[in-house]
Amino acid sequence: ETGVTQTPRHLVMGMTNKKSLKCEQHLGHNAMYWYKQSAKKPLELMFVYSLEERVENNSVPSRFSPECPNSSHLFLHLHTLQPEDSALYLCASSQDPPFTSGRFSRVNEQFFGPGTRLTVL
Amino acid sequence: RKEVEQDPGPFNVPEGATVAFNCTYSNSASQSFFWYRQDCRKEPKLLMSVYSSGNEDGRFTAQLNRASQYISLLIRDSKLSDSATYLCVVNPGGSYIPTFGRGTSLIVHP
Repeated sequence: ETGVTQTPRHLVMGMTNKKSLKCEQHLGHNAMYWYKQSAKKPLELMFVYSLEERVENNSVPSRFSPECPNSSHLFLHLHTLQPEDSALYLCASSQDPPFTSGRFSRVNEQFFGPGTRLTVL
Repeated sequence: RKEVEQDPGPFNVPEGATVAFNCTYSNSASQSFFWYRQDCRKEPKLLMSVYSSGNEDGRFTAQLNRASQYISLLIRDSKLSDSATYLCVVNPGGSYIPTFGRGTSLIVHP
């Protein structure tokens, strides 16, 4: 049990559907992340939230829309996806918030959820 | 040059063998380094952090070479259960957003 849960674990959707992925962390961490992992490719960072504010958006298409209502929950809203968006979507959290001006925050390990395996038909 | 590079492998080794992986990084200002392990169809999990002085945890030893900008992972007395993908993670200087390598696949056979 990593302390980070994700639902659903598997999702099959059509290109016109709208769905949401949910992540919850029970670790009291201050930062949460969405990653995409496709076959034979490194993890691709999509979004980072620190203390409920988005601090990084790694040029992700607008058909992916994140939401962080509080420090324990993170959502990824999906709409009009493409077949190439099929992948494993991983949520992670870490203790420290990101670097802010004038203060460097030593990075801590990331704890990952089990992921949502998404198939877009 | 990619930010973080790893040989994807696979490395096929017999049980009991010693195997080592390297991971090179391009940003000389990188601050923190980690090795994660990812089993097939599972999430990555932290294996160990990599400190400047090197660190050891049982059969696993991690080293950092700042001059040549690489980190290494040495596994002694390989077990079948060590079969997995090993991900190198580097934290670039000035940001705590980690960069993952594509991973090195290890297969330990009887």
